[in-house]
Amino acid sequence: DAMVIQNPRYQVTQFGKPVTLSCSQTLNHNVMYWYQQKSSQAPKLLFHYYDKDFNNEADTPDNFQSRRPNTSFCFLDIRSPGLGDAAMYLCATSSGGRTEAFFGQGTRLTVV
Amino acid sequence: QQQVKQSPQSLIVQKGGISIINCAYENTAFDYFPWYQQFPGKGPALLIAIRPDVSEKKEGRFTISFNKSAKQFSLHIMDSQPGDSATYFCAASATQGGSEKLVFGKGTKLTVNP
Repeated sequence: DAMVIQNPRYQVTQFGKPVTLSCSQTLNHNVMYWYQQKSSQAPKLLFHYYDKDFNNEADTPDNFQSRRPNTSFCFLDIRSPGLGDAAMYLCATSSGGRTEAFFGQGTRLTVV
Repeated sequence: QQQVKQSPQSLIVQKGGISIINCAYENTAFDYFPWYQQFPGKGPALLIAIRPDVSEKKEGRFTISFNKSAKQFSLHIMDSQPGDSATYFCAASATQGGSEKLVFGKGTKLTVNP
């Protein structure tokens, strides 16, 4: 059973057109993360939530925003996607502390 | 600044051989060292993890060796199989406010030939 579900799996958006990616979890984990992974590169942390507390990475562009309306759901909003934002976006969850992070299947974003 | 350095970038081994991937870190606050396996088009999945109070952890064919003084850790895959062909990421994290921020190495693409 899928525990971290990302929708859609593939998203094509136009240059500059806002896009939202979604993530849901059935694990009831406190922590949710968004990572960006470009081709043949390591996942790069964009931000994470510990419960409702939002933690932005210093080098995450302002173009990227996130919302977590409740424990189960988290959204990644890209306000004005550029060609350089084409990537796989990975959502992950953990229960905090030194515990396993569970990843979703990812959403592959294409910007045209 | 790359906080976790991983090598090699790619690795080819024969079926039955031993695959060894190495990682090094600088931040002494790191207290959790997982390895993730990623197949094309999929999200990473935890393979095995170690904490710095032990020097080795083994799960089936997978072993992590950890050297705290050298700030290095490695993954050994014994009896490598074609199904092990994937990209492997080492990672490290330090607990921050109850949550962890996982920092990944750049990954090693492993190919196991039949």
